[in-house]
Amino acid sequence: SQTIHQWPATLVQPVGSPLSLECTVEGTSNPNLYWYRQAAGRGLQLLFYSVGIGQISSEVPQNLSASRPQDRQFILSSKKLLLSDSGFYLCAWTQPGRGGYGYTFGSGTRLTVV
Amino acid sequence: DQQVKQNSPSLSVQEGRISILNCDYTNSMFDYFLWYKKYPAEGPTFLISISSIKDKNEDGRFTVFLNKSAKHLSLHIVPSQPGDSAVYFCAASPLLSSSNTGKLIFGQGTTLQVKP
Repeated sequence: SQTIHQWPATLVQPVGSPLSLECTVEGTSNPNLYWYRQAAGRGLQLLFYSVGIGQISSEVPQNLSASRPQDRQFILSSKKLLLSDSGFYLCAWTQPGRGGYGYTFGSGTRLTVV
Repeated sequence: DQQVKQNSPSLSVQEGRISILNCDYTNSMFDYFLWYKKYPAEGPTFLISISSIKDKNEDGRFTVFLNKSAKHLSLHIVPSQPGDSAVYFCAASPLLSSSNTGKLIFGQGTTLQVKP
């Protein structure tokens, strides 16, 4: 069966520090991968998605970047965190060709920038 | 530009009564709609979906209604239970995407509280 792992679960980082959040999927190959953010009082905002290794599409301009070094690994990074980067970050995957037939989400990372 | 809108940030209902959560969308290219349920500090989980060829889909206590002409969908929970208390997100996607990105566009979410 397929599983998705996301870590860490919580993170407190000072302003200006770097960030690296990791997401891995097991039990499938060539998944579509996504990073979403839920900011306080707001909905789920799509940040990045990837349909293959090294293929990253950005949805909104921001202080963050994403990379997909391996087929089932998706990394969210920042060189210098801002206070506004605080939020709940979610990784998700779906099978290619299933379009919007629904995602499987990871358990999320609560990031607090202080 | 918010393509999927949930205009009610919160809803409180009594246990056993009906909960109705609403969602509006603006993009006529959306052909597939989903509802996700989210508990605090957890990722959302899929609840129910509907494609544009239908106007109703039912799964146990959960029913989703779609009104394409009004670009509106709703989720009915009958009867509501305290365990249903969570944030509910509406999401939309084109059924066929030329780029096969599978992107889902989510609404802002509605926090449902079911009181015992």
